[in-house]
Amino acid sequence: DGGITQSPKYLFRKEGQNVTLSCEQNLNHDAMYWYRQDPGQGLRLIYYSQIVNDFQKGDIAEGYSVSREKKESFPLTVTSAQKNPTAFYLCASSRAQGGNTEAFFGQGTRLTVV
Amino acid sequence: AQSVTQLGSHVSVSEGALVLLRCNYSSSVPPYLFWYVQYPNQGLQLLLKYTSAATLVKGINGFEAEFKKSETSFHLTKPSAHMSDAAEYFCAVSPTGYNKLIFGAGTRLAVHP
Repeated sequence: DGGITQSPKYLFRKEGQNVTLSCEQNLNHDAMYWYRQDPGQGLRLIYYSQIVNDFQKGDIAEGYSVSREKKESFPLTVTSAQKNPTAFYLCASSRAQGGNTEAFFGQGTRLTVV
Repeated sequence: AQSVTQLGSHVSVSEGALVLLRCNYSSSVPPYLFWYVQYPNQGLQLLLKYTSAATLVKGINGFEAEFKKSETSFHLTKPSAHMSDAAEYFCAVSPTGYNKLIFGAGTRLAVHP
């Protein structure tokens, strides 16, 4: 079945550690996105990529980094510079057209700082 | 900048009652509009989308939404709530010409017997 796979489902990070969240899609979508979800704040865009080897910062990119070396993969690294990383992280993908295409979401990764 | 406002962070209805979740957007030109549903610890699933083809949009699970340009609204409705409708609902806008989604803060729907 086509879809988006995020791993791991739960992740624990110690203070000062970098951690990487995985996102893989087999929908042949050009565009991929990372969102952060906090209670009562909806989803906020961290980074997005519309094509391989290219990506742009979203609204809250500080303390995060991404890469897009393959069309299928868009990993997110939460660095030690991110001061409040505890949140639910969602990866999504869509066909890269002019805004009227729906985004498909993964099941999310819940990151907790311990 | 474009934004989305969802009125009411929590809505509670009885099983069988009308569901009305409110969404207003700010945009100088009509954008593309979406409603997504999220069950606990899950990703988001598309309920329906408005792409200017018709102002009344029907989605999955009996939901529908009406685009009203004069009110800049895209409210979500369902005639009769079911227990399985309990979830969080997000309204989102995608500016014309882009494929980035801007989300509202979400409305948590509770359905009681």
